[in-house]
Amino acid sequence: GAVVSQHPSRVICKSGTSVKIECRSLDFQATTMFWYRQFPKQSLMLMATSNEGSKATYEQGVEKDKFLINHASLTLSTLTVTSAHPEDSSFYICSARGDWENNEQFFGPGTRLTVL
Amino acid sequence: GQNIDQPTEMTATEGAIVQINCTYQTSGFNGLFWYQQHAGEAPTFLSYNVLDGLEEKGRFSSFLSRSKGYSYLLLKELQMKDSASYLCAVMDSNYQLIWGAGTKLIIKP
Repeated sequence: GAVVSQHPSRVICKSGTSVKIECRSLDFQATTMFWYRQFPKQSLMLMATSNEGSKATYEQGVEKDKFLINHASLTLSTLTVTSAHPEDSSFYICSARGDWENNEQFFGPGTRLTVL
Repeated sequence: GQNIDQPTEMTATEGAIVQINCTYQTSGFNGLFWYQQHAGEAPTFLSYNVLDGLEEKGRFSSFLSRSKGYSYLLLKELQMKDSASYLCAVMDSNYQLIWGAGTKLIIKP
């Protein structure tokens, strides 16, 4: 299957700082990328959907000024958590979808964010 | 509203068979996915059903009935490594994935 990488895999930061997470599709062009957040023992929660070259579409309740998403190319999307607080500590996962029939999404390995 | 229901937790014995059910109510339907997620890791794709019937892939099979809004994932010859959460997700008319809360499967020796 297609490969999606995510960097960093783990980050610890102080409250008030900003953290950038990168999501890359390594062997395909990702027409759409998705950003999810998952709290312990809960299911995936979609935060936003981004298409290359256009603004991201945020889910209800997700602050677009706090979670900045940039989908600059067909292989790279970034999520920046601005002014992070302890309640932003979570597992952030990106997924990418190419131009294929079954609409399958391939997931990155995730980024564990801990805000002190 | 949109809703995906699956059991919270199931327990099965190594070597046995287990069936994980998923029922859904969504605005439109463009396919149903099953993903496996081990603790602390991202989900990995298991299966995709868009037409009614059974799709078999090795030890794993997935069934879909669109008229009933129902799917199941069947795992045969269970191995200890199959202990994980299994996520059911439906793609709606906007091609967005609607996720179930996941079923935690515990395999006992």
